[in-house]
Amino acid sequence: KNEVEQSPQNLTAQEGEFITINCSYSVGISALHWLQQHPGGGIVSLFMLSSGKKKHGRLIATINIQEKHSSLHITASHPRDSAVYICAVSGVSNFGNEKLTFGTGTRLTIIP
Amino acid sequence: DSGVTQTPKHLITATGQRVTLRCSPRSGDLSVYWYQQSLDQGLQFLIQYYNGEERAKGNILERFSAQQFPDLHSELNLSSLELGDSALYFCASSVRGGRATGELFFGEGSRLTVL
Repeated sequence: KNEVEQSPQNLTAQEGEFITINCSYSVGISALHWLQQHPGGGIVSLFMLSSGKKKHGRLIATINIQEKHSSLHITASHPRDSAVYICAVSGVSNFGNEKLTFGTGTRLTIIP
Repeated sequence: DSGVTQTPKHLITATGQRVTLRCSPRSGDLSVYWYQQSLDQGLQFLIQYYNGEERAKGNILERFSAQQFPDLHSELNLSSLELGDSALYFCASSVRGGRATGELFFGEGSRLTVL
C-alpha cells in the first residue's frame, strides 16, 4: 500500500462543474503539497499546507490532520484546469519541503 | 515562468554512458531539490541541497551523484546509465530550507532517454 493514495485516478467533467480530488496518507506529516502537472510536463506548486484550509482563486485545499486526509477543490472548472494533480507529503520528522512522498496523481479532463 | 532553469531539456544517450543535468535555482533560493519521474515509479525525491551542503537524501542510486556550487546552481550526475534511468528529472528550489521552508518552484524538467 502506498503511503499516499489519491482518488479518483481519472476524472472527466463538464466545464463549470465543481471538482473534488482526494488524498489520503498513512504517516504523520509536517506538510502536504498539491501540485499541478500540465501535459507539457511542467510542475507548478499549488498549495503547501499543514492545517486548515487555503484558497487561491478558484482553487481550495483543505486538510484534516486527524483523519490524514486532504481535498483539492476546483470551483467553476475550465478546460485550462485539465492537468494531472499530484498530492505529496513530507514526513513528520522532516521539514515541510523535505523528502516528499508523492501520490500517483489524478488526471483531470474538463470538457468544454 | 518559475525562474528555475534546467538544461538540457532533452537528452538521448546510450546505456553505460554518463550525463550531467544542470539546474539554476530562482535568484536568492538556497535550497535545490532533485526529483525523478518515471512511468513505472511516478515522482520520487532524489536529493536536496541547502546552501551548498547536502541536506536530505531520498531514493537516489549510488550511480547518481549531485552537488550544489557556490553560485547555488546544482548538477545531477548520472553514470553507468541503464534503460530504466529513462525519465523526466525535475529540479525545484525554495527560498529556505530546514525549519523555515518556503514554496517549491519547479523547473521544466530534463527528459532523459537511454537507448
